[in-house]
Amino acid sequence: DQQVKQNSPSLSVQEGRISILNCDYTNSMFDYFLWYKKYPAEGPTFLISISSIKDKNEDGRFTVFLNKSAKHLSLHIVPSQPGDSAVYFCASLTQGGSEKLVFGKGTKLTVNP
Amino acid sequence: NAGVMQNPRHLVRRRGQEARLRCSPMKGHSHVYWYRQLPEEGLKFMVYLQKENIIDESGMPKERFSAEFPKEGPSILRIQQVVRGDSAAYFCASSPRTGGALRGVYKNIQYFGAGTRLSVL
Repeated sequence: DQQVKQNSPSLSVQEGRISILNCDYTNSMFDYFLWYKKYPAEGPTFLISISSIKDKNEDGRFTVFLNKSAKHLSLHIVPSQPGDSAVYFCASLTQGGSEKLVFGKGTKLTVNP
Repeated sequence: NAGVMQNPRHLVRRRGQEARLRCSPMKGHSHVYWYRQLPEEGLKFMVYLQKENIIDESGMPKERFSAEFPKEGPSILRIQQVVRGDSAAYFCASSPRTGGALRGVYKNIQYFGAGTRLSVL
């Protein structure tokens, strides 16, 4: 039973264009949603988060949008850079208790020069 | 400020041997999480520990796996009598758990180590 789904295993975009990574979830009890970036042979690095009570959060080139009624969120990267090439994981948590992260399977982003 | 340190980075074991994975949290963090990533999969939660206490082990296999976080020293994930299916990347994360959220901004971010890649022959 996969509670967090990233249906696109890979995405390829041109440098300077927008990258849009999508994530769907099934558990309406999630309080926060986080995006992590992962390079090969490294651990995930936190990028940006959004509360379930908000619909948008922005940090520099990264913006996350949340559509709670559709149980869908997306990460926008503008403009995309070759250094953004990595695997992006969507993760969710319920506040209180252990606050363990529930991860999607990831989307591999390739930004071509 | 050193990040989360995991060692070894790579560990090779034969079937039936024991594997010990170590994790030192970030300075000032006393909350540790272990996750496992199988090939082509996302990370899956295993266990959450505070110093000397296991808080949530709902993701741990019932047999052969154990974890500890002693008062002194790193957290240890121990796998006894390893099998080929245990081959995976094991990631440790630590968080400050300072209070949850402030004006809708989540504060208890988990910071990950580089992982230990376990290969069982």
